[in-house]
Amino acid sequence: KAGVTQTPRYLIKTRGQQVTLSCSPISGHRSVSWYQQTPGQGLQFLFEYFSETQRNKGNFPGRFSGRQFSNSRSEMNVSTLELGDSALYLCASSLSIGHDTGELFFGEGSRLTVL
Amino acid sequence: KQEVTQIPAALSVPEGENLVLNCSFTDSAIYNLQWFRQDPGKGLTSLLLIQSSQREQTSGRLNASLDKSSGRSTLYIAASQPGDSATYLCAVPNYGGSQGNLIFGKGTKLSVKP
Repeated sequence: KAGVTQTPRYLIKTRGQQVTLSCSPISGHRSVSWYQQTPGQGLQFLFEYFSETQRNKGNFPGRFSGRQFSNSRSEMNVSTLELGDSALYLCASSLSIGHDTGELFFGEGSRLTVL
Repeated sequence: KQEVTQIPAALSVPEGENLVLNCSFTDSAIYNLQWFRQDPGKGLTSLLLIQSSQREQTSGRLNASLDKSSGRSTLYIAASQPGDSATYLCAVPNYGGSQGNLIFGKGTKLSVKP
């Protein structure tokens, strides 16, 4: 059974550009979450999608957005990139939404460097 | 506001030692607690999920305990091996959120020396 797949794994952008990251959840999983990981702040929750709807949102500016498709695949977009957006972006999936849905499974991440 | 703390930030032990990693949280009203492992530059691997009604959860050489009243969880690793070297993170669901909305500690970086 394939795990959570994220593409691309590495990318370099310059300030002001935008970036789109993709995530395919584990087959059968309907909830997808996104996290940002930096050395200073650690892991921070960005947003969670279920049934093509954003269900929860973290404390990030509107430049960070996402969406989920009918096949549960998800994309996140960061517009007008800043140096501080350099981070490892992690996608995670779970069976459903709620507290009793079992474990959260993560992908390998997309490493974004902003120059 | 829920906060998760892991102490120490780093730990170095010789191979074969039994060790304990600590995780504390400020709000005891948690539904569950999940332990993860992260290798350098990689994603997170789920190790154990303990429900709030459970006291312990075991998987191989790993044993996690949960004491909600004191706001603590421990991850016990028996007979440590160099392959256990990684950063270990604990996380709890954000209050009112779902399992996809976790609050993480900063992690404990474990180094097991041959």
